[in-house]
Amino acid sequence: DGGITQSPKYLFRKEGQNVTLSCEQNLNHDAMYWYRQDPGQGLRLIYYSQIVNDFQKGDIAEGYSVSREKKESFPLTVTSAQKNPTAFYLCASSSEAGNQPQHFGDGTRLSIL
Amino acid sequence: AQSVAQPEDQVNVAEGNPLTVKCTYSVSGNPYLFWYVQYPNRGLQFLLKYITGDNLVKGSYGFEAEFNKSQTSFHLKKPSALVSDSALYFCAVRDRIGGSARQLTFGSGTQLTVLP
Repeated sequence: DGGITQSPKYLFRKEGQNVTLSCEQNLNHDAMYWYRQDPGQGLRLIYYSQIVNDFQKGDIAEGYSVSREKKESFPLTVTSAQKNPTAFYLCASSSEAGNQPQHFGDGTRLSIL
Repeated sequence: AQSVAQPEDQVNVAEGNPLTVKCTYSVSGNPYLFWYVQYPNRGLQFLLKYITGDNLVKGSYGFEAEFNKSQTSFHLKKPSALVSDSALYFCAVRDRIGGSARQLTFGSGTQLTVLP
């Protein structure tokens, strides 16, 4: 079955450490997205990519970085510059057409040790 | 700018009763509108979308939504609620103006609890 796989499901970060969240899709979608979910705040866009080797900042990109070397993969790095990284991180993908829904992975929950 | 409001953080309804989860939006042009559902510790699942045409949109699991342009609303409905419908529901909007550069904006979510 086609879908989006996020790993790991749970991740713990130490002070000063960078951590990378994995996102892989086999839906042949051009566009991929990273969202942060905090309780009561809905989803906020961190970064998105509409094509390989290109990505754009979303609303809350500070302290995060991404790469898009392959169509199937869009890893997110939470850097030590992100002072409040505890959240639920969701990856999504969609075809480029604006009227198509996004498909979501099952998320990674990041906590600080 | 585009925005979405879900005015109710929590909606409680008895099993078998009709349910409504409210959503209003603001866009410059015409909207694409979406509803998603999220179960605990899971990603969002797509329920339905409004693109154009019929104002009443039918989606998965018996859900439907009514697009009202004059009231800029897109309320989610179901004629008879099930306990298994208990979840977090998100409304999302994308303005057609701006092309593919315009991204989805999500509401803050409404927690639906269906009481047995």
